[in-house]
Amino acid sequence: EDKVVQSPLSLVVHEGDTVTLNCSYEVTNFRSLLWYKQEKKAPTFLFMLTSSGIEKKSGRLSSILDKKELSSILNITATQTGDSAIYLCAVEAGNSGYALNFGKGTSLLVTP
Amino acid sequence: KAGVTQTPRYLIKTRGQQVTLSCSPISGHRSVSWYQQTPGQGLQFLFEYFSETQRNKGNFPGRFSGRQFSNSRSEMNVSTLELGDSALYLCASKRVINSPLHFGNGTRLTVT
Repeated sequence: EDKVVQSPLSLVVHEGDTVTLNCSYEVTNFRSLLWYKQEKKAPTFLFMLTSSGIEKKSGRLSSILDKKELSSILNITATQTGDSAIYLCAVEAGNSGYALNFGKGTSLLVTP
Repeated sequence: KAGVTQTPRYLIKTRGQQVTLSCSPISGHRSVSWYQQTPGQGLQFLFEYFSETQRNKGNFPGRFSGRQFSNSRSEMNVSTLELGDSALYLCASKRVINSPLHFGNGTRLTVT
């Protein structure tokens, strides 16, 4: 059975800190790994990582895919209170059709 | 460009009733997926439609069904509601196969 595990489950940091969120997976026929940010309702798309694109960066956020270790990290530098949210990792695999298998998420709280 | 639109935003139903949720994908997106989000289970895949055909289905009972119309709009139906069906139901759409899912704000269903 496919599995996606995120750690830590929750995290509290001060504004300005750098955080690293982890996602590991066990799936058959990996296709892609996606990161989402969920604040109130809709998860909003951050990054999509595939075999042909293992590193992505946007502003203070960056993500790397390690296909050997079957894992990914999401880095946020110089955190702001607006970064407080649940960060979701999802994996698309060959045996799941086009469905995303989500981890339980990491709840990040950035305090002023 | 308008995002994924879901209606209604909130619903309160009684056990045994049935409910229909509606989703309009982003213009030009032909693939529509539905997910259930609960505090205990996280985000779980319900089904995915493309060109009015169900391409994939998650591990949910037959009480959960869906359909897609020729304009790519989608509906999902839950019959004989149970208390455990209380959840946030998220619809998502994507443009092509190797592109990310974009989520709507969801419909919060409460079953009493």
